[in-house]
Amino acid sequence: GAVVSQHPSWVICKSGTSVKIECRSLDFQATTMFWYRQFPKQSLMLMATSNEGSKATYEQGVEKDKFLINHASLTLSTLTVTSAHPEDSSFYICSAPGTGSPEAFFGQGTRLTVV
Amino acid sequence: AQSVTQLGSHVSVSEGALVLLRCNYSSSVPPYLFWYVQYPNQGLQLLLKYTSAATLVKRINGFEAEFKKSETSFHLTKPSAHMSDAAEYFCAVSLNTGGFKTIFGAGTRLFVKA
Repeated sequence: GAVVSQHPSWVICKSGTSVKIECRSLDFQATTMFWYRQFPKQSLMLMATSNEGSKATYEQGVEKDKFLINHASLTLSTLTVTSAHPEDSSFYICSAPGTGSPEAFFGQGTRLTVV
Repeated sequence: AQSVTQLGSHVSVSEGALVLLRCNYSSSVPPYLFWYVQYPNQGLQLLLKYTSAATLVKRINGFEAEFKKSETSFHLTKPSAHMSDAAEYFCAVSLNTGGFKTIFGAGTRLFVKA
């Protein structure tokens, strides 16, 4: 099956700094990728849709200036958490749908801890 | 709007007992449905998928789910629970919004007692 690689798998940063998370489709092209956030003991909530060559689409309540998304190529999307605060600590997961397929392929997730 | 509802945030069964995790969907078009499993501090693993083929979907590790249009359900079952089945299970629907995006249910935590 298709593989989506997410990096880093975990990161600890100081409050006020920015953190970049990468999501790569390894063996297929993805014009669209999705970013999810999962708080402890909760479900995955869609944050935004990353579109190659255009602006990302954010879900209601997600601050676009705080969560910067860049879809630089057909195989790479990045999520930058700017000026991170402890409440941003969470598990972030990206996904990319297979070409013409309803099945999504998920990255391994990134555990962000802001101290 | 399409969505999924998982009934029961926690399910506890004894080892060897039947596992039943409930999922109902709402959709105005034929849905694409999935079950994912998440072990503690790990990512998601696809368990089962329904994409308009056979209504009963089986996996080698004993889990299966049956798509029932009349009941708008896609419940996950396993005849005999094993301790290693303890995890969080998410039912999900895939929406075609110019590209497919996945929307998750709230999740059900499965506990297996010895």
